[in-house]
Amino acid sequence: DAGVTQSPTHLIKTRGQQVTLRCSPKSGHDTVSWYQQALGQGPQFIFQYYEEEERQRGNFPDRFSGHQFPNYSSELNVNALLLGDSALYLCASSKRLQGFYGYTFGSGTRLTVV
Amino acid sequence: QQQVKQSPQSLIVQKGGISIINCAYENTAFDYFPWYQQFPGKGPALLIAIRPDVSEKKEGRFTISFNKSAKQFSLHIMDSQPGDSATYFCAASMESGYSTLTFGKGTMLLVSP
Repeated sequence: DAGVTQSPTHLIKTRGQQVTLRCSPKSGHDTVSWYQQALGQGPQFIFQYYEEEERQRGNFPDRFSGHQFPNYSSELNVNALLLGDSALYLCASSKRLQGFYGYTFGSGTRLTVV
Repeated sequence: QQQVKQSPQSLIVQKGGISIINCAYENTAFDYFPWYQQFPGKGPALLIAIRPDVSEKKEGRFTISFNKSAKQFSLHIMDSQPGDSATYFCAASMESGYSTLTFGKGTMLLVSP
């Protein structure tokens, strides 16, 4: 049983560019949450998707947007990249009605903005 | 505003010793308190979690102590092993509704052989 799969594992982008990160949730999960983890910091909640809609959003600018597809997979898009967007981006999946039972993180995408 | 404060930032413990990491929270609506373990290049993995209706929970060598009145909780790792060397994060959430986690800044634990 595959866990949470994120792609790519690493990428390097230039300031001002746009990037798309992808997440496939664990089998049976329907909710996807995205977190940003800066170096030496704890993960910070970006937003959460359920039933293809953004359900909650953390304190992140509109440059951060997302999408959830009918198969529950999700994308995180970041526009107009800044150097400060360099971080590990984590996806977590869960089943909506089970709260934190089975809440599982992927290994993340390491984004470097130069 | 940091809602979950974690200390210490780093910790060195000898093999066989006890590792203790502390966290304090501000939001009294939080009702779910997990601890996560993260190895380099990996995502956080749930270690143990507690809810405020109990003051202590033990799973193997790992114990959470919870003090609701002080709004504090701590992780104790008994008989610490080199394989426990990792970064540990406390977190908090309101379990009802849409589930999101507020994390502490992390503690880098090194267990020396």
